[in-house]
Amino acid sequence: QVQLQESGPGLVKPSQTLSLTCTVSGGSIRSGGYYWNWIRQHPGKGLEWIGYIYYSGTTYYNPSLKSRITISVDTSKNQFSLKLSSVSAADTAVYYCARDPRMGFFDYWGQGSLVTVSS
Amino acid sequence: EIVLTQSPGTLSLSPGERATLSCRASQSVSSSYLAWYQQKPGQAPRLLIYGASSRATGIPDRFSGSGSGTDFTLTISSLEPEDFAVYYCQQYGSSPWTFGQGTKVEIK
Repeated sequence: QVQLQESGPGLVKPSQTLSLTCTVSGGSIRSGGYYWNWIRQHPGKGLEWIGYIYYSGTTYYNPSLKSRITISVDTSKNQFSLKLSSVSAADTAVYYCARDPRMGFFDYWGQGSLVTVSS
Repeated sequence: EIVLTQSPGTLSLSPGERATLSCRASQSVSSSYLAWYQQKPGQAPRLLIYGASSRATGIPDRFSGSGSGTDFTLTISSLEPEDFAVYYCQQYGSSPWTFGQGTKVEIK
């Protein structure tokens, strides 16, 4: 059974960079066949797809966030990471990592990590 | 980007009743690339349906999806206590992938 777990600071100051890591267990990122995604949910709101990475390092980002996002992968640690630069209060959200079987939907999700942007 | 509008915003029903949730797209969703998720408070979304009508692994057959083009429906044939939650639709036919705003199914 695949499991995903987000980790990272819960509080980030405005204008700084938000950094989160997703650790995958029960399956290898290196095996291919999946896109590894970040999705966020603003408090009490809907869901927003941020972007994905393939094990090879190929990335695809939501154009609305593309200028501020970097998603990277470390296959040796079975992890992938999100960096979101120049954050503001509007980036306060629960951030989820999720697996996509290269079809566009998300079959496994992490439990989510609340990140608050505040000074 | 494709905007998904879900209706109603809230559905108040009793256990055993039938729930019909709607998801309308601002433009046609290619190849019926539409998914449905269930989310309970404090939990991550759970995949229910993909490809508009295919149930994900382990999902009970009381959940069914239908539709094509711009109009899609999630039906729960007989509500169980554990089905009271928020439901989201998501399209993956056109980048960026987008979600609807959700329909809350609450106990009447």
